[in-house]
Amino acid sequence: EVQLVESGGGLVQPGRSLRLSCAASGFTFDDYAMHWVRQAPGKGLEWVSGISWNSGSIGYADSVKGRFTISRDNAKNSLYLQMNSLRAEDTALYYCAKDVYPMVRGPYNWFDPWGQGTLVTVSS
Amino acid sequence: QSVLTQPPSVSGAPGQRVTISCTGSSSNIGAGYDVHWYQQLPGTAPKLLIYGNSNRPSGVPDRFSGSKSGTSASLAISGLQAEDEADYYCQSYDSSLSGYVFGTGTKVTVL
Repeated sequence: EVQLVESGGGLVQPGRSLRLSCAASGFTFDDYAMHWVRQAPGKGLEWVSGISWNSGSIGYADSVKGRFTISRDNAKNSLYLQMNSLRAEDTALYYCAKDVYPMVRGPYNWFDPWGQGTLVTVSS
Repeated sequence: QSVLTQPPSVSGAPGQRVTISCTGSSSNIGAGYDVHWYQQLPGTAPKLLIYGNSNRPSGVPDRFSGSKSGTSASLAISGLQAEDEADYYCQSYDSSLSGYVFGTGTKVTVL
């Protein structure tokens, strides 16, 4: 069974940093691209970032470009999101999601499955 | 700010058929990119419902169907059941943004 378990969320002050992790199991991790998707409280879904199987292709939403960095460690079956210069509008539940293809930035990718999410709250 | 527009809510009685629209533009759905649909039950993570415009993953009831035409896509739920009460999101790729986009989301209520 495919499992994605996020961790690292919490309460952080504006301008500070936080690193999220996603532990993957039940599939060959380095065969697939991975993504982070967030959902602000009571709001819709927003794609944040994606990374290809070999980290060779990476994409970011404009809202986080220059502040967030996605990475992966295939030896540890883990996905990461380094979040710097956090803002109140970054407050959200952050989901880790598996792609169905190895590459990102393609027009046909979709996300399946998703983890349960880790909550990030940016507030002073 | 979502680039894919969905109605905020739709409702129907048990057994009825409801449809949810997802309207995009020439840089996403209209460019020929696939549309996928997710169901988010209250308090849970999104779950894939339809992929590649009209394909159902194994385990998804055939009451759910998807279609795409021009710059829009639709999700239909026939034989509505109480367990279908959830939020539904469409998703595609946008070439202007060079990234993936979600619809604004639609809450389905079973009366």
